[in-house]
Amino acid sequence: DSGVTQTPKHLITATGQRVTLRCSPRSGDLSVYWYQQSLDQGLQFLIQYYNGEERAKGNILERFSAQQFPDLHSELNLSSLELGDSALYFCASSVYRASDSTDTQYFGPGTRLTVL
Amino acid sequence: QQQVKQSPQSLIVQKGGISIINCAYENTAFDYFPWYQQFPGKGPALLIAIRPDVSEKKEGRFTISFNKSAKQFSLHIMDSQPGDSATYFCAARAYSGAGSYQLTFGKGTKLSVIP
Repeated sequence: DSGVTQTPKHLITATGQRVTLRCSPRSGDLSVYWYQQSLDQGLQFLIQYYNGEERAKGNILERFSAQQFPDLHSELNLSSLELGDSALYFCASSVYRASDSTDTQYFGPGTRLTVL
Repeated sequence: QQQVKQSPQSLIVQKGGISIINCAYENTAFDYFPWYQQFPGKGPALLIAIRPDVSEKKEGRFTISFNKSAKQFSLHIMDSQPGDSATYFCAARAYSGAGSYQLTFGKGTKLSVIP
């Protein structure tokens, strides 16, 4: 168990709908990352938040948005859903270790989104 | 170039054999190279990682070999066991600004260890 929790585990919805995925990072971790995992694209970085602020953006569509709240949990909002958005969505949290300049990302169990 | 190329896509190894997964990169700004292991239905978990100032790192049966000049690194799993059957991802880290780092992942290798 990584200590990162994600809800829901599974989500089935229809095209055009909007969904919200939730992530709670490990205790003490300030950074939260969102990834999309599909069979043909592997793990694609979407967006990173650090202590409530957006820090980096990857291949995130304009229909997608995220935020990190004061209690450090994060939500990923996906709107106007398309069939191609069906994928596993992972959240990860990390802590930077200055002693060796490393930061390990700990992944949650993921949310499997199916768009019908 | 942020891409990390991983091969092979799938690998079948007999129990007790050596599993070798290779990755290559172009971006010389990458400064940290972790490997993640993912079992079906689970999130990826850090397996082992290496910094570019080291040519090899070993943890138990898992070894990373790193060739900075060739911009290649590989994961070796010695004495492979059926329990090692999983998908393995290499990754590379780059500074993305504002005190943050970003991981770029390879597309993964599905390892099957047969008894």
